[in-house]
Amino acid sequence: QSALTQPPSASGSPGQSVTISCTGTSSDVGGFTYVSWYQQHPGKAPKLMIYEVSKRPSGVPDRFSGSKSGNTASLTVSGLQAEDEADYYCSSYAGSNNLVFGGGTKLTVL
Amino acid sequence: QVQLQESGPGLVQPSETLSLTCTVSGYSIRSAYYWGWIRQPPGKGLEWIGSIYHSGSTYYNPSLKSRVTISVDTSKNQFSLKLSSVTAADTAVYYCARVYQLVWVDGLWGQGTLVTVSS
Repeated sequence: QSALTQPPSASGSPGQSVTISCTGTSSDVGGFTYVSWYQQHPGKAPKLMIYEVSKRPSGVPDRFSGSKSGNTASLTVSGLQAEDEADYYCSSYAGSNNLVFGGGTKLTVL
Repeated sequence: QVQLQESGPGLVQPSETLSLTCTVSGYSIRSAYYWGWIRQPPGKGLEWIGSIYHSGSTYYNPSLKSRVTISVDTSKNQFSLKLSSVTAADTAVYYCARVYQLVWVDGLWGQGTLVTVSS
């Protein structure tokens, strides 16, 4: 299994929206509704932000939303805030009891 | 309060076996969740290593399967990772975490522990 493909970086100004893509194949992202997104600040453990493509855990602001089309999933952060600056990782179930992560995207709030 | 805590040596010799334990507190490891290990080389992305159920059923990343063993000790509410024949490429922060139905890692992660492979 290969890592999911994410852009290395993304950026936006406070208040703007930014979308991060996560591209896989029909064997992972395209084949299941089990895409999740994680936020990681430097030196910290990842934090679950989205699961099952578009569901938000309790406590995650509704500024964070997820979607999927074909083999590509997306995370959109609306109303960017300074605290949203972090690394973001996608993950997908890849069948046969396997999980695969993306390479990560560094989000910069300008 | 539910917590996961990794423990083990921070330095391992090349060709030796890396051994880590994750202690779960405030939550029974016998629950309906799975438990897993994820690693992150310095400055790089996340990699799923494998998962285990309290029954002892294990599931491994195909790329690491030949070197990985994950086990569980329900009496101590712990699960463990062994990675054999390590090289410098295995240097990483190792996280333990709770896994939902083998399909995503949920909101419960340990703080992570850095393991360096070096002589």
